[in-house]
Amino acid sequence: KAGVTQTPRYLIKTRGQQVTLSCSPISGHRSVSWYQQTPGQGLQFLFEYFSETQRNKGNFPGRFSGRQFSNSRSEMNVSTLELGDSALYLCASSSEGQATVDTQYFGPGTRLTVL
Amino acid sequence: GNSVTQMEGPVTLSEEAFLTINCTYTATGYPSLFWYVQYPGEGLQLLLKATKADDKGSNKGFEATYRKETTSFHLEKGSVQVSDSAVYFCALSNYKLSFGAGTTVTVRA
Repeated sequence: KAGVTQTPRYLIKTRGQQVTLSCSPISGHRSVSWYQQTPGQGLQFLFEYFSETQRNKGNFPGRFSGRQFSNSRSEMNVSTLELGDSALYLCASSSEGQATVDTQYFGPGTRLTVL
Repeated sequence: GNSVTQMEGPVTLSEEAFLTINCTYTATGYPSLFWYVQYPGEGLQLLLKATKADDKGSNKGFEATYRKETTSFHLEKGSVQVSDSAVYFCALSNYKLSFGAGTTVTVRA
C-alpha cells in the first residue's frame, strides 16, 4: 500500500497570506490528524478528522482550519499567516482514529516558511 | 491532563554502545504508549508500541516495556549502529497523540 502523502513538500509564503496543505491517507484509512512541529514547541496536535467530521481539536487559533473529503483526503488551511506559523506540518492517518489503539502513520510533512 | 517527559538530548554514542532513552508519562486511564523515530528531512515512523501494562514492544533491536507502577516506557537498544542516528519521540495515545520533546541521538563510527 502507498503511504501517507503530503503536498506540497515545501512552501514559502509572506505574512498575511493564506495557505492550504493537502494530505492523502493510506488507502482504507478514515482518520486523518494534523500536527505542527517546531523547534520551540515540539509536536503539537492540531485536529483530527474522521469520516468528514472534525472529531478532536487542539489548542490553536481559529486561523487554523481543516476539512476532510469523502475519499478521506484532507486539507488544512492557515489564514493570515504569521511568522510563528513557520513549521513542519505533519499529517497522520489511521484506520479508526485516535480514540483507539490504532497506529498512526505519518507522512513526510510540508515545510512552511513564512517571511 | 496527558503529558510525556523524555530524556533531554543530545545523546552521542559510539557504534555498538548501549542506548537508553528515558520516558515517563502522566495520563488518565490506560493509554497506549509509542516510540516514534524521525530521520533527517522525513516524517515520523513508528518504532514500537505497547498497549497495556507489562507489554513489551520491540522492533529492529529496540525494546521498551510499559511499566504502569513507574509510569515509564524507556527505550533501549543493546548495540547501536550509525544508521540509528535520528530523533526519537516517546508518545502516548488518548484521543490524540501527546509527544515528548524528542531526543536527538548521534552514533559515531
